[in-house]
Amino acid sequence: DTEVTQTPKHLVMGMTNKKSLKCEQHMGHRAMYWYKQKAKKPPELMFVYSYEKLSINESVPSRFSPECPNSSLLNLHLHALQPEDSALYLCASRVASFENEQYFGPGTRLTVT
Amino acid sequence: AQKITQTQPGMFVQEKEAVTLDCTYDTSDPSYGLFWYKQPSSGEMIFLIYQGSYDQQNATEGRYSLNFQKARKSANLVISASQLGDSAMYFCAMREGPGGSEKLVFGKGTKLTVNP
Repeated sequence: DTEVTQTPKHLVMGMTNKKSLKCEQHMGHRAMYWYKQKAKKPPELMFVYSYEKLSINESVPSRFSPECPNSSLLNLHLHALQPEDSALYLCASRVASFENEQYFGPGTRLTVT
Repeated sequence: AQKITQTQPGMFVQEKEAVTLDCTYDTSDPSYGLFWYKQPSSGEMIFLIYQGSYDQQNATEGRYSLNFQKARKSANLVISASQLGDSAMYFCAMREGPGGSEKLVFGKGTKLTVNP
């Protein structure tokens, strides 16, 4: 099973809402990532969890709050977002050892109204 | 300065022909890895091929091959026998540092269109 799943596929939320994005993998990978991708741009790294601990935060605003409850699951909690936060949010995972590619999920298309 | 440069915003190729997508990189680290990903309009990033900085041979995966020219710091993707399903965005990415390093830096991408 080489699959990373993400839910929901699409999300529309208002600026005062609280919502969460979910990412799951059952490949035994110990590194998990959140990326943000605007239209026609490359993915931008937001957070990295390594062995369930936050290892990289790319100076992401606090309205984005990541959580890694266990080695298979990664959440991104959203609160008080702005319209410019509308984007494709991609989750990825990798083995977290020597020379391994990241496997990406299908993404969540987020629209903030 | 950009670490990964993809100079072709868009490329067109006829079905069944080969196409080369360019990628140059900039790093002073002797240990690095280069990746190519495909992103169809559906959004998912699909891993295609990997080349390590110490690999002696160019990487190949089916119809994909990586033309690695270390002295020129280029890592071009060659797709042979193009298919309509190859139409997508293609991103070159680099991992700097040892294999356990976690960050990938992506280029701006090349949009490939395969014509019937």
